[in-house]
Amino acid sequence: DTEVTQTPKHLVMGMTNKKSLKCEQHMGHRAMYWYKQKAKKPPELMFVYSYEKLSINESVPSRFSPECPNSSLLNLHLHALQPEDSALYLCASSQDVLWQGNTGELFFGEGSRLTVL
Amino acid sequence: GENVEQHPSTLSVQEGDSAVIKCTYSDSASNYFPWYKQELGKGPQLIIDIRSNVGEKKDQRIAVTLNKTAKHFSLHITETQPEDSAVYFCAVSYGNKLVFGAGTILRVKS
Repeated sequence: DTEVTQTPKHLVMGMTNKKSLKCEQHMGHRAMYWYKQKAKKPPELMFVYSYEKLSINESVPSRFSPECPNSSLLNLHLHALQPEDSALYLCASSQDVLWQGNTGELFFGEGSRLTVL
Repeated sequence: GENVEQHPSTLSVQEGDSAVIKCTYSDSASNYFPWYKQELGKGPQLIIDIRSNVGEKKDQRIAVTLNKTAKHFSLHITETQPEDSAVYFCAVSYGNKLVFGAGTILRVKS
């Protein structure tokens, strides 16, 4: 199983709503990631979890709150978002975090397309 | 800084022709250079990668070349097919992060 599964595929929410994006992988990967991708742009790193602990936060606003309940699951909790947060949110996983001796191949899910009204 | 420049932004080729996409980077310490393909409605997928101790790597119709001195690397696709149409992103390792180039929209006309 080489899949990263993301739910929901589409989400529309108001600026006062609270919602969550979910990601799951069963490849035994120890690193999981959240990326944000705007239309016609590259993925931008938001968060990295290594062994279920947050290892990188790319200065993401606190209205985005990541959570890693276990080694297979990654959530992104959303609260009080702005219309400019509308984007495709991609989850990815890799065997381990990127370092000098690791190839760092990322396996991406298909993404959750978020629209903030 | 973590800079990755990718060119061209769009590329149209006739089926059967070759396509070349180039990327440059800024940190001489970077040592890992993958290429990802993103089809419409899907997440990016790794198609080939190269590490800094190798100058060239080939996998069937796809090859990547790396010039560490000049800090640039290129993706070569030969005998292009319509299913090669997609967005291609180069990426560069900066410390423990991957930074992506801006992307190239490749259109293969049949």
